[in-house]
Amino acid sequence: QKEVEQDPGPLSVPEGAIVSLNCTYSNSAFQYFMWYRQYSRKGPELLMYTYSSGNKEDGRFTAQVDKSSKYISLFIRDSQPSDSATYLCAMSDSYGQNFVFGPGTRLSVLP
Amino acid sequence: DTGVSQNPRHKITKRGQNVTFRCDPISEHNRLYWYRQTLGQGPEFLTYFQNEAQLEKSRLLSDRFSAERPKGSFSTLEIQRTEQGDSAMYLCASSTHSGRAYEQYFGPGTRLTVT
Repeated sequence: QKEVEQDPGPLSVPEGAIVSLNCTYSNSAFQYFMWYRQYSRKGPELLMYTYSSGNKEDGRFTAQVDKSSKYISLFIRDSQPSDSATYLCAMSDSYGQNFVFGPGTRLSVLP
Repeated sequence: DTGVSQNPRHKITKRGQNVTFRCDPISEHNRLYWYRQTLGQGPEFLTYFQNEAQLEKSRLLSDRFSAERPKGSFSTLEIQRTEQGDSAMYLCASSTHSGRAYEQYFGPGTRLTVT
């Protein structure tokens, strides 16, 4: 079992849809949970981070963490074609070490 | 531009040659990380520095790979005797040492092709 699992997609949705992206993990030492967006042939861009369990909202993006289920989610509201990218979840321990990425989900938002 | 920069952006080399990549982190960040990413995969951790000290190396990192950060600013990653399996995107990231070390900011990457 991989340490972090993520559905690779591709996921195609119409413009304006609500998108749900998810990751599961196995290491209970993870305390920080991040979402990155990566456009083709570019480096990952940090979108959001969350500490421990709970929700965090930033504009059209909402991150949720459920540590009891070892499950994290990113929701994108009113999706736009410019949101088309690969979304990577990442996790680390409380010292910002043991940084592990999921394989990414490729998202296409169709106009 | 005050982001992370990497050079070169692309490198094509023949099998058996040595290559070196450079990373310039965000100036106030004292942690620097190297990752490797292949198609369809997330970045895979290689090594990281806190200032000039190399604190962690992946167990998967071949001894053909070496990284330095001599003055705690820029870093270089060298691959000796390149193999076709080394073809990948090499990413550099930086973060602060403070409680926000999990906030890593990535450079654009160096794409290596070994022929």
